[in-house]
Amino acid sequence: NAGVTQTPKFRILKIGQSMTLQCTQDMNHNYMYWYRQDPGMGLKLIYYSVGAGITDKGEVPNGYNVSRSTTEDFPLRLELAAPSQTSVYFCASSTSPTYNSPLHFGNGTRLTVT
Amino acid sequence: DAKTTQPNSMESNEEEPVHLPCNHSTISGTDYIHWYRQLPSQGPEYVIHGLTSNVNNRMASLAIAEDRKSSTLILHRATLRDAAVYYCILRDSVEYGNKLVFGAGTILRVKS
Repeated sequence: NAGVTQTPKFRILKIGQSMTLQCTQDMNHNYMYWYRQDPGMGLKLIYYSVGAGITDKGEVPNGYNVSRSTTEDFPLRLELAAPSQTSVYFCASSTSPTYNSPLHFGNGTRLTVT
Repeated sequence: DAKTTQPNSMESNEEEPVHLPCNHSTISGTDYIHWYRQLPSQGPEYVIHGLTSNVNNRMASLAIAEDRKSSTLILHRATLRDAAVYYCILRDSVEYGNKLVFGAGTILRVKS
């Protein structure tokens, strides 16, 4: 039972490089989310999706892009990486919108931009 | 989004009960009270949620004040594995996207 899988676990980028953080879930969840967590802080929502083909901005979307072509996958793209994007990134999913559906989180991708 | 207020940190002895408080004075009628916790180097995990009545599950209990302006997460017997950051979050049941907005949470330290 894999749940939410994020790859890679760690990555170091140079300023200006780009990369894609991968997230896949095997629970057939419609809703998926990307959060970032800076050291000692709570999580902030970057983007979310309520189903394949639908994405919306969260609190901190600048510098990121997402796509949702399938129910299972929700990749997060960083273009022109900046030191301010050094963070731990968490992907999460949940079933269709009810208050009873908890979010299931992956174990995160730790990204350092130098 | 309605806000919650939690103490920055709390300490407990192993095998004793822990009461983690949360204030949410601006809670609306459609807000559910959710608790998540984050163990070191892991993603958050769901603990419990409730609307008006007290709730119990295998992990914890949730006590909700009658006016719903505060709640308490109860761990009945703390273990070292319960050391984590605990987040109290109001989740609007009718909001598009059903997003969770995380605050700073309460760091729980458990002493052996």
